[in-house]
Parts: sequence; C-alpha cells; structure tokens
Amino acid sequence: EPEVTQTPSHQVTQMGQEVILRCVPISNHLYFYWYRQILGQKVEFLVSFYNNEISEKSEIFDDQFSVERPDGSNFTLKIRSTKLEDSAMYFCASYSGLGANVLTFGAGSRLTVL
Amino acid sequence: DAKTTQPTSMDCAEGRAANLPCNHSTISGNEYVYWYRQIHSQGPQYIIHGLKNNETNEMASLIITEDRKSSTLILPHATLRDTAVYYCIAYGYNFGNEKLTFGTGTRLTIIP
Repeated sequence: EPEVTQTPSHQVTQMGQEVILRCVPISNHLYFYWYRQILGQKVEFLVSFYNNEISEKSEIFDDQFSVERPDGSNFTLKIRSTKLEDSAMYFCASYSGLGANVLTFGAGSRLTVL
Repeated sequence: DAKTTQPTSMDCAEGRAANLPCNHSTISGNEYVYWYRQIHSQGPQYIIHGLKNNETNEMASLIITEDRKSSTLILPHATLRDTAVYYCIAYGYNFGNEKLTFGTGTRLTIIP
C-alpha cells in the first residue's frame, strides 16, 4: 500500500535554529498538507499546497514557516528560527485530488526545541 | 465545516462491536462525514466516509441517520489494536478550503 514517508522521525534542536522537515508524498497525489500536534492537544492544520503554491494556511503558519516542493517528489516544511513552542509532532499528508478528500498521513516527525 | 460532537471517551470489550456516536446537527447538504483514527502518536488514519447512505468497508461500517444530523461508526469485532482516538469530521470540499479540521475525538479503549 502506498505510503507517505517523513524524515527525520525525531529531531532535537536549539531555540533559534532552522529546521527542515521532509516528506515524500504518494507519487500521483496532487495536494499536500502539513499538520502539527503539540503533546496532548489536537491535530492542527498548518498549510495546504497545490499546483506548486500554498492554497490555504492557518494563523499558526506565520512568516517563520515555509513550504517547498523542490524536485517533484519531496515536500518540505522549514521553520526559520525555532521557538520552544514549536516542539510538536509534525505530520505530512497527501491527497490524490480525485474523489473523496481522503488524506494519507505520514508517521510524523517529532521536533523537540531546547 | 459543520461542528461535530463526540463523547470524550468510551470503553469496549475485546471481540464486541464498538459503536462510536457523532452528532453533526448543523451539517449542510454538501458535507460528507469522515472518520479517522489516531493510534497513540501515529499519523491519523482514514477509516470511512459517507454522505447519506450507510457505508461499509473492510475496517468499519458507518450508519448515518436519515436527517443526517448524527452518525455512528461501528467496529464490528473490536481488537486491542483498535484502541485509539477516533475523529468524526464533517467536511465539504470548496476550492481554497481543502483542509480537514480535527476536533478532540473519542478515546476508545478496548478492554481484554
């Protein structure tokens, strides 16, 4: 069964450092998403990406965040200057664009900011 | 998207059917009911969705009331691996609104 793969599975960084989280969506999917989940809290939408541009973003997705699809297979989330409150699980998801909006999620990347 | 209301937690004995309710009284005509689950800290996993007819797949059944104001997810023979948080989401696709919004869900615990 096709999977969404995410790397790294866990990253520890110092406050103020830049972090890049990587995702390989399912190959024929057209929509891509990042969600995050702070420990013990809801899964929160960050951003959706379609046709090489952001289609929707939440209030959480401020200027510190950016997304990119550099090579047609990877989909990355960059946090320019991490804060303590960015510590969370980050989930990438993709959707084919056909039929029902069934998102396939990756296993997540745990980010710990010290 | 319409708001959904689910119980905070439920228990079910292993091997029995788990019935998870969801209220979505303000659901509009173009909104589907989706169910996802999250096992421990893994990524959410799609289970099933429906518009107004009852649906069944290899994982579960979805029963939607005739007025579409509520639904029930049924796991016919619950196993310990079904312990998870289950999310009921009402969603209708609109260009520029393609996200699923997760609530707090129902924490289902399967008891041996």
